[in-house]
Parts: sequence; structure tokens; C-alpha cells
Amino acid sequence: DTGVSQDPRHKITKRGQNVTFRCDPISEHNRLYWYRQTLGQGPEFLTYFQNEAQLEKSRLLSDRFSAERPKGSFSTLEIQRTEQGDSAMYLCASSSPATAAYEQYFGPGTRLTVT
Amino acid sequence: QKEVEQDPGPLSVPEGAIVSLNCTYSNSAFQYFMWYRQYSRKGPELLMYTYSSGNKEDGRFTAQVDKSSKYISLFIRDSQPSDSATYLCAMIRSSASKIIFGSGTRLSIRP
Repeated sequence: DTGVSQDPRHKITKRGQNVTFRCDPISEHNRLYWYRQTLGQGPEFLTYFQNEAQLEKSRLLSDRFSAERPKGSFSTLEIQRTEQGDSAMYLCASSSPATAAYEQYFGPGTRLTVT
Repeated sequence: QKEVEQDPGPLSVPEGAIVSLNCTYSNSAFQYFMWYRQYSRKGPELLMYTYSSGNKEDGRFTAQVDKSSKYISLFIRDSQPSDSATYLCAMIRSSASKIIFGSGTRLSIRP
């Protein structure tokens, strides 16, 4: 499968714990995006990387959230001191340098449940 | 007020019917307009995109954009049960990186 992959697919954690998600983009896609989707809503943009540089962050990305893409390949999204309001689907997408940013390919998402 | 408004449905139609899905938006800077399909517990899948105003057809799907009215539509002809999913309209400014999504319309095609 050469699509965007995310791990884990589902994470259940207790309030106050830290969690980390991983995203592997499509090979040779230099742009990587994180979105969050809550029930009944569309995805909301969190952050964007071009290669290893984090170029844009949403106000939704509070200081408890941090994203990295150390070698310009896979990315991690960490949430510290999780809250029940963090329960959502976290989606990763990637796009090619040869296409415009509208052509983003999404992974299957990581569903986070905070109890 | 949200930048993109979309009727959440649910919308239920019989197999073979023509489906019309719509969104309105407020930001005139949007240049690319997309439709994504999302099956339950899956990531969104890009169906079609349109640049600026106009129509675009791809098989049973037609996308329309009217920038003067800030209104976009997706038509599905000869709808099939496999079309049952949530449809998300989305848009992006030229040179921007973040896509702005509608809240999605849940569609069910009855056999």
C-alpha cells in the first residue's frame, strides 16, 4: 500500500496522559499536513510541514500540542496532558511538490479517545 | 459565522436518483473548490476539484462553482448504494496550504 499511513489507528488514554501519533506520507511527498476532525464536523487544519520545516500552525494547536518532522519524511504529533476535549480523529495528509496544495491525500486517521 | 457552510443532512434517496449537494462560503479569496468523500471511520478521499468558476464532469459526478454567488454544488447521477458516505466540500486560496472544509453531508442511497 503506497498511501498515507498512520499509527496507531485507535488510541484510548486517560486524562492527563501524553500520547504520540505517527504519520508516514506518500513516498516523495515533501508536504505534510495534520488535521483534527470531531464528530459531525469537517477536518480542521492544525499544522503544515514542507520537508522538515514547520511553516504554519493553527491557533487550535495549543502549547500542549507539538508536531515534528525531523528528517522530512515521517511526522509525529504529540499531545501532552490530554483532556477530554482532545478526543477526535487526527488526520494526516501529504501532497507532492509537483501539484498544488489542494491535492492532499489523507491517511485513515488515528482516533483518540480520552477517558 | 463559519467560512464554509454545508447542510449536514442526513440525505436519503432511492438508488438511481440524482443527488444534489451544496455549500456556501464567505471568503472570496478561495480559488480551488474540492469535494471529498469520507466513508465511516476512514480518511477523506478527494473526488473532484474545480479551479475558479465553472463546471467539471467526471463520470457520474459533476461539480459546479458559482463564485459570484459564493455557491458550489456536487451532482451525482444514477446514484448507487456504494455512494453512501459523507461528502465534504472544501476550498483553498491560491498559494495557501490549509484546506477549509464544510461540516459534511451524510448521504444514504436506498437500494
